[in-house]
Amino acid sequence: AQTVTQSQPEMSVQEAETVTLSCTYDTSESDYYLFWYKQPPSRQMILVIRQEAYKQQNATENRFSVNFQKAAKSFSLKISDSQLGDAAMYFCAYRGPQGGSEKLVFGKGTKLTVNP
Amino acid sequence: DTAVSQTPKYLVTQMGNDKSIKCEQNLGHDTMYWYKQDSKKFLKIMFSYNNKELIINETVPNRFSPKSPDKAHLNLHINSLELGDSAVYFCASSAHSSYNSPLHFGNGTRLTVT
Repeated sequence: AQTVTQSQPEMSVQEAETVTLSCTYDTSESDYYLFWYKQPPSRQMILVIRQEAYKQQNATENRFSVNFQKAAKSFSLKISDSQLGDAAMYFCAYRGPQGGSEKLVFGKGTKLTVNP
Repeated sequence: DTAVSQTPKYLVTQMGNDKSIKCEQNLGHDTMYWYKQDSKKFLKIMFSYNNKELIINETVPNRFSPKSPDKAHLNLHINSLELGDSAVYFCASSAHSSYNSPLHFGNGTRLTVT
């Protein structure tokens, strides 16, 4: 079964600085998708960024970028110029082919605090 | 213009009661899901429906029964509520069931069983 591991239960960053959240996963598949979701205190689950395993280029969305290392099965999220509104739980997630029942598997999350 | 909406937002009830959570999506998606987030924030899938057909049914007690009257709705009915059912329940949808389709989540329903 696919598993997703986020080894940092909590992280903190100073406003305007850069922080990297780690994620590793386990799969025997060659094509799959990886996602980062953000959950602020409002509880809403917000898609931050996604990466297809077949694409070598790392995905970027404004201040958010990923470092995707397929061989190492690593998918870290970099947040540049951190803002107070970035404070949230961040979940890494994997979704791969499972014969028609491709569920999204989440890591346990990293709580990010942004200090002013 | 809410994409995935679920009601109620909060639900407080006593052990042994039966309750329902409703979910609707206006994105035209084919696939809908229920996820449970426990007190440690861990998210785990419970059910998934594709075009009203059940395609994922994780190890969930029989007291939980999803119902999909059409592909825009997926409701969750819970019988004989227990203390351990207290959690946040998220409804989600995706364009289709394939793995390249991201999930869009509702705002969650916090269920508290006393």
